[in-house]
Amino acid sequence: QKEVEQDPGPLSVPEGAIVSLNCTYSNSAFQYFMWYRQYSRKGPELLMYTYSSGNKEDGRFTAQVDKSSKYISLFIRDSQPSDSATYLCAMGGNEKLTFGTGTRLTIIP
Amino acid sequence: DTAVSQTPKYLVTQMGNDKSIKCEQNLGHDTMYWYKQDSKKFLKIMFSYNNKELIINETVPNRFSPKSPDKAHLNLHINSLELGDSAVYFCASSQVAGSGWVNEQFFGPGTRLTVL
Repeated sequence: QKEVEQDPGPLSVPEGAIVSLNCTYSNSAFQYFMWYRQYSRKGPELLMYTYSSGNKEDGRFTAQVDKSSKYISLFIRDSQPSDSATYLCAMGGNEKLTFGTGTRLTIIP
Repeated sequence: DTAVSQTPKYLVTQMGNDKSIKCEQNLGHDTMYWYKQDSKKFLKIMFSYNNKELIINETVPNRFSPKSPDKAHLNLHINSLELGDSAVYFCASSQVAGSGWVNEQFFGPGTRLTVL
């Protein structure tokens, strides 16, 4: 079993919809949780990170962590075509990050 | 101004050859990384250096040898290339590495390696 599981998709939604992306993990030692966005043929870039259980909001993006269930989510409100990318969850607690496999998202205009 | 840069961007080579990928960061970070991303987008860490010292060495064949001449540079040399080495290789850097700190990593644009 992988330490971090993420549905690879692909996921296609119409513009303006709410998108929900999720990851589960098995390692209780993870201390913080991140979401990276990767456009085609580019390197990943950090969107958001959070330490604790609960919600963290940044504009149209909300990161949610439930440590008791070992489950994290990223919600995108009012999705735009420019949000089309691969979204990777990542988890850390020591020198390294452990990434999910990424979910490929397409927003249809 | 590019924060993390890699050269070359594309590399096409024959099996058995030796090749190098170079990485430079101008962010003043102490820690640098090499990742391999396969065709399914799975990003797996290979190596990490902190201030020129190797701190992470995942189970990578010893045909892969990282070298860090200074803390702003981390190069990757690959000997006797195999078909399975075809992937995108990303360099990354971060300010700190260790327990209690958020390891925000900044990635380069990637080097797409194709072994024929």
